[in-house]
Amino acid sequence: GAVVSQHPSRVICKSGTSVKIECRSLDFQATTMFWYRQFPKQSLMLMATSNEGSKATYEQGVEKDKFLINHASLTLSTLTVTSAHPEDSSFYICSALGTSGFRTDTQYFGPGTRLTVL
Amino acid sequence: DAKTTQPPSMDCAEGRAANLPCNHSTISGNEYVYWYRQIHSQGPQYIIHGLKNNETNEMASLIITEDRKSSTLILPHATLRDTAVYYCIVYYNKFYFGSGTKLNVKP
Repeated sequence: GAVVSQHPSRVICKSGTSVKIECRSLDFQATTMFWYRQFPKQSLMLMATSNEGSKATYEQGVEKDKFLINHASLTLSTLTVTSAHPEDSSFYICSALGTSGFRTDTQYFGPGTRLTVL
Repeated sequence: DAKTTQPPSMDCAEGRAANLPCNHSTISGNEYVYWYRQIHSQGPQYIIHGLKNNETNEMASLIITEDRKSSTLILPHATLRDTAVYYCIVYYNKFYFGSGTKLNVKP
């Protein structure tokens, strides 16, 4: 239970293009989702909090125009990296706050998406 | 910012108990202590969490000191599959991950 999926699992794109990453809660509704970024050999860094039906809240230093987050339904949040550059290459991980039947005080994480920008 | 301090790495023999410490001296009264682990190139996996009392589940035990300034995660019988980075997180509305402890379980 409490499964979160991400798609794609890995993506390679050219510099200047935009990439969309999907995060889905498969067996529960998630009113709140989170997006993290992880560089090699580093810890996870919280990028933003995504609430269904409202604008995302970004952490300090995260460019909201570059990392567009949409949480249009209770099971789907998307992260779009716009005009990607090589420095955006990273491991992007989403999580969903548990609801109905699962721990409501626990974040359940997706498997991550590895983005490589050439 | 992370409010926790953990040793960067620890070794444990397979079959033995792994005790992972965490300091969170600035924790507030309503903040929980969470533990997650991350196996290489995967998303973090929830292990356990607690507020004041010690907690136990099928994966691990969590011991929180009376003053709540530190805690210990115990894996009772470590296996090779427990090799991972373990994160101790003080939860105050959001998760801020610290550096974690790389646990190496050796045969």
